[in-house]
Amino acid sequence: EIVLTQSPSTLSLSPGERATLSCRASQSVSSYLAWFQQKPGQAPRLLIYDTSKRATGIPARFSGSGSGTDFTLTISSLEPEDFAVYYCQQRSNWPLTFGGGTKVEIK
Amino acid sequence: EVQLLDSGGGLVQPGGSLRLSCAASGFTFSSYGMSWVRQAPGKGLEWVSSSSPDGVYYADSAKGRFIISRDNSKNTLYLQMDSLRADDTAVYYCVKGAGTSVFDLWGQGTKVTVSS
Repeated sequence: EIVLTQSPSTLSLSPGERATLSCRASQSVSSYLAWFQQKPGQAPRLLIYDTSKRATGIPARFSGSGSGTDFTLTISSLEPEDFAVYYCQQRSNWPLTFGGGTKVEIK
Repeated sequence: EVQLLDSGGGLVQPGGSLRLSCAASGFTFSSYGMSWVRQAPGKGLEWVSSSSPDGVYYADSAKGRFIISRDNSKNTLYLQMDSLRADDTAVYYCVKGAGTSVFDLWGQGTKVTVSS
């Protein structure tokens, strides 16, 4: 099983600041890494798939990068609606796995 | 409108059974892999099972107890859950996508509580 480790677990930032979230895989997932955003009481929403492709309707301030085992989600300038929990997920190998999440909170 | 509507959750005793349903609309259901993902209270996301073009897959926690199936004529995905345990308590999400395709559409979730 591929283990995804996200860091940090919590990120305290102010609106307008840049957020950098990390996801490290225990073995290569090639480019098959996705990022999801989840707000309280809501279903997750796909932000980024295949490392760097933005999903439909996702603002350009969200970007993804990386390859193999190390991946990054960057939010260039935090908007109030971006404070949420973010999960990475791999679809390279069965079983499909998620990271433990990073909570982006208002400082 | 493209959407997934999850249903079938509820309160069930340990050892009991439940069948979840997911009604899909707005896309060609038969052309896509479909999955179930769950989230225990206050916890992260956990993949449960997928119906993929190349077969069905289960998490270890679901093997031997859960069965995923689909009725393409009804655009509906199912999850039959037997021998339920307290640690199966979670919100269960139906998701469009599987190993060969991304999780690009999520249902609203249906809550399953296993308790005596």
